[in-house]
Amino acid sequence: DSGVTQTPKHLITATGQRVTLRCSPRSGDLSVYWYQQSLDQGLQFLIQYYNGEERAKGNILERFSAQQFPDLHSELNLSSLELGDSALYFCASSVEVGANEQFFGPGTRLTVL
Amino acid sequence: GENVEQHPSTLSVQEGDSAVIKCTYSDSASNYFPWYKQELGKRPQLIIDIRSNVGEKKDQRIAVTLNKTAKHFSLHITETQPEDSAVYFCAASIGAQKLVFGQGTRLTINP
Repeated sequence: DSGVTQTPKHLITATGQRVTLRCSPRSGDLSVYWYQQSLDQGLQFLIQYYNGEERAKGNILERFSAQQFPDLHSELNLSSLELGDSALYFCASSVEVGANEQFFGPGTRLTVL
Repeated sequence: GENVEQHPSTLSVQEGDSAVIKCTYSDSASNYFPWYKQELGKRPQLIIDIRSNVGEKKDQRIAVTLNKTAKHFSLHITETQPEDSAVYFCAASIGAQKLVFGQGTRLTINP
């Protein structure tokens, strides 16, 4: 157990819908990262927050947004869902930004039908 | 650009033999290079990492080497065991903000 929690574990929804994925970082970690992992694919970096502020953006679609709250938990919002958005979404946290070990949560498996 | 290339994409070795996975990166400012292991359906877990001020690091059967001049680093697993079967990801730090991951190597250890 890495100490990073994610809910829900599984999510099944329909095209066009909107979902929210939630992540709680390890105690003491200020930085949160979101990744998308499609079937048999690598980890695609989406976005990073540090102490409530957005710090880096990857190839995140405009339909996707995220935020980090004062209690440091983070939410990833996915809207106008498409079949291709079906993937594992991982959250990771680290003490600080950049060159530090990232601890991954168990992931949320999103299936869009 | 921000790019990490990882090879091979699949690797099959006999139990007890060694396995080597290689990565190259493009950002000369990268200074942190972790390796993650991901078992089927599980989260990626850090197995070893190296920083740019060292050339090699070892932890029991796992070692990582770094060549900053050539911008490549490698994972070496010796005396492989069935439980080493997994997908392995390399990564490199980009700027001060994030990690970029390679595409992964599916390692299979044949008994």
